[in-house]
Amino acid sequence: DVKVTQSSRYLVKRTGEKVFLECVQDMDHENMFWYRQDPGLGLRLIYFSYDVKMKEKGDIPEGYSVSREKKERFSLILESASTNQTSMYLCASTPFGSYNSPLHFGNGTRLTVT
Amino acid sequence: AQSVTQLGSHVSVSEGALVLLRCNYSSSVPPYLFWYVQYPNQGLQLLLKYTSAATLVKGINGFEAEFKKSETSFHLTKPSAHMSDAAEYFCAVSDPSQGAQKLVFGQGTRLTINP
Repeated sequence: DVKVTQSSRYLVKRTGEKVFLECVQDMDHENMFWYRQDPGLGLRLIYFSYDVKMKEKGDIPEGYSVSREKKERFSLILESASTNQTSMYLCASTPFGSYNSPLHFGNGTRLTVT
Repeated sequence: AQSVTQLGSHVSVSEGALVLLRCNYSSSVPPYLFWYVQYPNQGLQLLLKYTSAATLVKGINGFEAEFKKSETSFHLTKPSAHMSDAAEYFCAVSDPSQGAQKLVFGQGTRLTINP
């Protein structure tokens, strides 16, 4: 079974702090994604990566950056956290090149910025 | 750009009743379609997917969905609801013509089961 692990289930940070959300997958998947989940808005794509050191902006990249130094790890960075970034963050992975392959999700990190 | 619309942010049914969750998509080419379920405090897990092999797709836990190209719909059904079906459900579309292997999700439908 594919396992996608997000390092924290809950995080509380202060406005202006630099925040790192970590995600690791164990199935050698090329593609990794960061989504943000908010009530009534569903999941919105922040960034995705299809290879080490490669990244592409999703639909809502403002205020975020990412890092992919190793194939299994994809980090989401909030350079200066703001209260409007309080949300549930979901990481996912899938093999490259197969559009009908489902995404495998982690359990999410619920971030609160005060 | 492709989009997904789920009609009804909340659906409530009685235990044993039919479950119907609606999903409509916009895409210029036949897409790949997915339904995911999210139980409280968990990530999303795949219920079923449409990949053009058959228009009626069966998934886990007794759910199924029918792809109707003429209606651009992919509604999710289950004949008899169980208390354990209470969760949030997301419809998603992947469009290869967009050149990127990513999913666009609907807004989600929270399903409540009444005893």
